[in-house]
Amino acid sequence: DTAVSQTPKYLVTQMGNDKSIKCEQNLGHDTMYWYKQDSKKFLKIMFSYNNKELIINETVPNRFSPKSPDKAHLNLHINSLELGDSAVYFCASQTSGVYNEQFFGPGTRLTVL
Amino acid sequence: GQNIDQPTEMTATEGAIVQINCTYQTSGFNGLFWYQQHAGEAPTFLSYNVLDGLEEKGRFSSFLSRSKGYSYLLLKELQMKDSASYLCAVLDSNYQLIWGAGTKLIIKP
Repeated sequence: DTAVSQTPKYLVTQMGNDKSIKCEQNLGHDTMYWYKQDSKKFLKIMFSYNNKELIINETVPNRFSPKSPDKAHLNLHINSLELGDSAVYFCASQTSGVYNEQFFGPGTRLTVL
Repeated sequence: GQNIDQPTEMTATEGAIVQINCTYQTSGFNGLFWYQQHAGEAPTFLSYNVLDGLEEKGRFSSFLSRSKGYSYLLLKELQMKDSASYLCAVLDSNYQLIWGAGTKLIIKP
């Protein structure tokens, strides 16, 4: 069974469209993240959810909105897509306690044309 | 501000040993992680250090010096499959992971 899964794996769309990326974890973790990794390979935290509560929100445009219907899911919705949104988006799930290891999903490669 | 520094790229020969350094300046410290990321794939966990010293795990070892804000990942008996990016990340006082930009390791035959 896949621990952290994301769909779709590839997403190609036109500028101005609205799209969603889904993430699910079956590890029972309380904390989930969304990361953006651009062409320079730098991993940037976008959002973090702990028990469905947003606990960090980096300075990302408000076109990006995380939605968590339950503890096992953290979806990312993007409005009015721009060329600069092209990147790989990773979802991750984190263990609780002192040893905060993160488990990553396979990533979603978003290409905006 | 918070900062994690590691070399952008390193090259090594198959069968050799390579050391990837990481220095950090963060608000608090609750541990340091090393992750491996192959091209086109997600990062995967390699090691976690919270106390000073060397942690050995097979061909990979990770060292930490908290007083110096310094860590290194040591890879022995390099194999071609070790070609990947290696990411250093620090857990700060709020238990948030601060990521370095990663070191791309190229292994040559």
